[in-house]
Amino acid sequence: KAGVTQTPRYLIKTRGQQVTLSCSPISGHRSVSWYQQTPGQGLQFLFEYFSETQRNKGNFPGRFSGRQFSNSRSEMNVSTLELGDSALYLCASSGGPGQGSEQYFGPGTRLTVT
Amino acid sequence: AQTVTQSQPEMSVQEAETVTLSCTYDTSESDYYLFWYKQPPSRQMILVIRQEAYKQQNATENRFSVNFQKAAKSFSLKISDSQLGDAAMYFCAYSSNFNKFYFGSGTKLNVKP
Repeated sequence: KAGVTQTPRYLIKTRGQQVTLSCSPISGHRSVSWYQQTPGQGLQFLFEYFSETQRNKGNFPGRFSGRQFSNSRSEMNVSTLELGDSALYLCASSGGPGQGSEQYFGPGTRLTVT
Repeated sequence: AQTVTQSQPEMSVQEAETVTLSCTYDTSESDYYLFWYKQPPSRQMILVIRQEAYKQQNATENRFSVNFQKAAKSFSLKISDSQLGDAAMYFCAYSSNFNKFYFGSGTKLNVKP
């Protein structure tokens, strides 16, 4: 089985712009979660989607949004980029709908905001 | 709110020796799951070991084992016979509400040849 894929792998944007990141989960997985990883804050949960519905959301401003398509692929959007949004954005998919399911992580998208 | 604390930012171990990484968490829930994830320099996070809170028996995966102390809210990872490939960032994680995960700040493990 192919693993979790994320595109693009690297991105450079200017403050004020918006960006869309994509995540393709492992085939058959219906849950997709997004995380922001920074050296100072570590891994922070953004949101989780299951069957096109957002089930959980972390403590991030409304500039961060996401969606999931019927094929379980997910996109994350950040509008009005700020310098502090520079981070590694990780996507993880899970095969189970309930708690305790193992999450499989993608390689991440490195976003740099200048 | 749930919090996960890893008090050791960095640790070193000699190849073939044993090392223990610490993790504590705070929760008011009784049913939850705990994980250790490894993030090598290539950045791909992979699961090391998983523990269900309702199970008293400590999880073991080959050279990796945990010491789960539910009352103390402690979940440490022991790596036996350390290998050079074990060098990575290790993250402790907690999950209860479906797939909402809380991660610790990580411990960087160095393995000396």
